[in-house]
Amino acid sequence: DVKVTQSSRYLVKRTGEKVFLECVQDMDHENMFWYRQDPGLGLRLIYFSYDVKMKEKGDIPEGYSVSREKKERFSLILESASTNQTSMYLCASSYGGGVSEQYFGPGTRLTVT
Amino acid sequence: AQKITQTQPGMFVQEKEAVTLDCTYDTSDQSYGLFWYKQPSSGEMIFLIYQGSYDEQNATEGRYSLNFQKARKSANLVISASQLGDSAMYFCAMREALIKAAGNKLTFGGGTRVLVKP
Repeated sequence: DVKVTQSSRYLVKRTGEKVFLECVQDMDHENMFWYRQDPGLGLRLIYFSYDVKMKEKGDIPEGYSVSREKKERFSLILESASTNQTSMYLCASSYGGGVSEQYFGPGTRLTVT
Repeated sequence: AQKITQTQPGMFVQEKEAVTLDCTYDTSDQSYGLFWYKQPSSGEMIFLIYQGSYDEQNATEGRYSLNFQKARKSANLVISASQLGDSAMYFCAMREALIKAAGNKLTFGGGTRVLVKP
C-alpha cells in the first residue's frame, strides 16, 4: 500500500514563527503536492514538485515556500506564520505523467495564534 | 469562474438508498480527467473513481458510478445502496491537459458533505 505520512497531525504556532511541515512517501512517486483545505473552498494547491529540486507554484503560493532535496520528502515552509495561514494542510503524491490518482497523507491541522 | 463547482454543500440520504452528488466543470482542454475523492471525519482523502474525457463508457467502481455528460460538462457521482460508512465529505476534482508531461495537478471543488441516516 502507498503510504504518505506527515510529521504532525496538530500544530500550534505563534505569529511570526517559521514553520516546517514535512511529508514523506514510500512509493517512489515523482510528483508531490501541498494543499490547504478550508471549509467551503475545497483543497487549494500551494506548490507541487515533479522531481527532486524541481518545484512549481500552485494557485496560492504567497507566504509559502517548499523544498524537495530527496525524492521521498517534500517540505512546506511558512517563513513567517500569520493567522490567515491557520488551516488544514494536506500532502499528496502521485506517479509522474499519464493519469494517476493522488495519494494523500492524513493532514496537519495548523493553528497560528 | 470556478473550474469545479459542487452546488450541494450538504445532504442527507437514507441508508440503502442511492444518492447523486453533482459536479460541473469548466475547461477548454479536449483532454482532461475527472476524479472523485471521499474524506471521512478522520481526514484522509480516499480516491474513489476516475473518468477520462475520451472514455466512452461511464466509469464504475463497486457501488460508485460516474454519470459523465460531456456536453453539459458534468460528472456526477452516484453512490448506490448507501451505507452508514459513506457519511463523509466528497470532492470532485479535475486534471486538465493530460498531454502535458509534468505535474498531474488537480483542481478541487468545494465538496459535498453526505450524512447517511439509519
